[in-house]
Amino acid sequence: LAKTTQPISMDSYEGQEVNITCSHNNIATNDYITWYQQFPSQGPRFIIQGYKTKVTNEVASLFIPADRKSSTLSLPRVSLSDTAVYYCLVVGLISSGSARQLTFGSGTQLTVLP
Amino acid sequence: DTGVSQDPRHKITKRGQNVTFRCDPISEHNRLYWYRQTLGQGPEFLTYFQNEAQLEKSRLLSDRFSAERPKGSFSTLEIQRTEQGDSAMYLCASSPRTRPNEQFFGPGTRLTVL
Repeated sequence: LAKTTQPISMDSYEGQEVNITCSHNNIATNDYITWYQQFPSQGPRFIIQGYKTKVTNEVASLFIPADRKSSTLSLPRVSLSDTAVYYCLVVGLISSGSARQLTFGSGTQLTVLP
Repeated sequence: DTGVSQDPRHKITKRGQNVTFRCDPISEHNRLYWYRQTLGQGPEFLTYFQNEAQLEKSRLLSDRFSAERPKGSFSTLEIQRTEQGDSAMYLCASSPRTRPNEQFFGPGTRLTVL
């Protein structure tokens, strides 16, 4: 099973770009990388997923190097409302009919300062 | 509202009692997941359904935990003979057939065992 490791916390200022890196050294060939955001007393919210290279959507970018042993979530121009816990999660192919790695790590507490 | 709903939002029970939680996934999402989350930790995967079939249940914490999704729509999670260590947030998520790795989480049920 792919174990994920993230920094416990990060601080940033409004308007800055934030990069949060996750290590997943024993990721399997068919595993995907997903990222979630969680506010206190709420369920996690899906941000982005990727398999390799770079993926971008309206809220974030995800960079995955060729060896796929790590991934970096990039949040452009953060605001105070981006203060939350961010989790990376390595997911096996659900369509295979068997859930493999579906365990979140401890996450990264991002605090955005004014 | 078409989000994932969970009921009840809060449950207080005495040790030894049985509790049952309900999850209503987003309509037409064929995959449904249950997680447990304790304070300061990421969600811990418990079990997973694809339609009515429970495809992964090895992560259920003990034989006191069981889950059902009888008609492939809503799901229930039951904990028998509750213990104080069962106190946690229980999260449900669902994902669509076309994007199986994109999970949509409900607000959770907060269980307190006295």
